[in-house]
Amino acid sequence: EDKVVQSPLSLVVHEGDTVTLNCSYEVTNFRSLLWYKQEKKAPTFLFMLTSSGIEKKSGRLSSILDKKELFSILNITATQTGDSAVYLCAVEAGNDMRFGAGTRLTVKP
Amino acid sequence: KAGVTQTPRYLIKTRGQQVTLSCSPISGHRSVSWYQQTPGQGLQFLFEYFSETQRNKGNFPGRFSGRQFSNSRSEMNVSTLELGDSALYLCASSLALGDRDTILDEQFFGPGTRLTVL
Repeated sequence: EDKVVQSPLSLVVHEGDTVTLNCSYEVTNFRSLLWYKQEKKAPTFLFMLTSSGIEKKSGRLSSILDKKELFSILNITATQTGDSAVYLCAVEAGNDMRFGAGTRLTVKP
Repeated sequence: KAGVTQTPRYLIKTRGQQVTLSCSPISGHRSVSWYQQTPGQGLQFLFEYFSETQRNKGNFPGRFSGRQFSNSRSEMNVSTLELGDSALYLCASSLALGDRDTILDEQFFGPGTRLTVL
């Protein structure tokens, strides 16, 4: 069965720290991997990754995919309290899409 | 530019009833996807519509169905409601300009419809 596993489940850091969130997957017919940020409301799309080794960046956030080792990482540098959220990883596989349980990031001032 | 809108925002139904939820995508967006979010199961993909056709479908029973109209607005229907259907139902739209048969481009989520089944 297809599965997406995120680690750690939760993380507490201080402002200015750099964090790395992990997402590993085992799916059939991989198509893409997506990252989302969810605060108290609906998710916000961050990145969509389809090719190995190509880093996507958006401000302090970056992500990369390794299709050989079946994982992706999401990096956040110089964290701010506004980065506190649940970060979700999802994998499109075949006609389906599977989400991980999320990593809850708390950034303390 | 208006965002994705969902109606109603809140809904209370009883077991056995059916419900229809509506999603209006951002103007020009052709793809609409639906998701269910519960504390126990997290976020789960229901289905995706593109140009009035269901392109992708998650692992949900046939009680969950949807459609998309020519103006890209989409509806989701759940028949014979069960207690476990209580959830936040989210829809998201994207331009989907690529040739790939998948969700493409940035997705924008609506605020969701919170369904409570009693």
